[in-house]
Amino acid sequence: DAMVIQNPRYQVTQFGKPVTLSCSQTLNHNVMYWYQQKSSQAPKLLFHYYDKDFNNEADTPDNFQSRRPNTSFCFLDIRSPGLGDAAMYLCATSRDQFGQGRLQTQYFGPGTRLLVL
Amino acid sequence: SQQGEEDPQALSIQEGENATMNCSYKTSINNLQWYRQNSGRGLVHLILIRSNEREKHSGRLRVTLDTSKKSSSLLITASRAADTASYFCATDDMRFGAGTRLTVKP
Repeated sequence: DAMVIQNPRYQVTQFGKPVTLSCSQTLNHNVMYWYQQKSSQAPKLLFHYYDKDFNNEADTPDNFQSRRPNTSFCFLDIRSPGLGDAAMYLCATSRDQFGQGRLQTQYFGPGTRLLVL
Repeated sequence: SQQGEEDPQALSIQEGENATMNCSYKTSINNLQWYRQNSGRGLVHLILIRSNEREKHSGRLRVTLDTSKKSSSLLITASRAADTASYFCATDDMRFGAGTRLTVKP
């Protein structure tokens, strides 16, 4: 039973053409995360939503935006993809927000691999 | 910014051998988690160790934590070909280390 679903699994876009990646969850978790992972590198946290509160990482480029219209869905918008944005994009959820010693296991989707031509 | 650093970056062993991976981190933590990632897939949570714990077991997995050295190790005993994957540590701010790529040869 899929718990964190990402569509599509592979996305091809053109340089500069806006693209949206989607993520949905059946866990009813409060927190949803987006990570960027380039080949042979660690997942890099881009931003996360705690319920409707958006939390951007300081070094996330402005080119990356996110929307969370409801608990189940979260979108990653790349306004003008560059060649350097080609990567695997991972969505994850956790029941509650991390920090202050709270224990939060993340549940990951299978990822969307983005190719920029 | 990246919090944990795994060592080694790549490890190749024969089936049945033990695999040890290390993770070092920079700041104080409350918890440290280990995740596994099969090639081209999402990450799967393996085990969590709290800062007041020194060792934890789960099946063939053994995790240790040394907060004085800001380091943790993951031991996989009696490895199997299916254990071939990348292994990442993550600190409690959800930031991941670079990972160790483990290859278990049948």
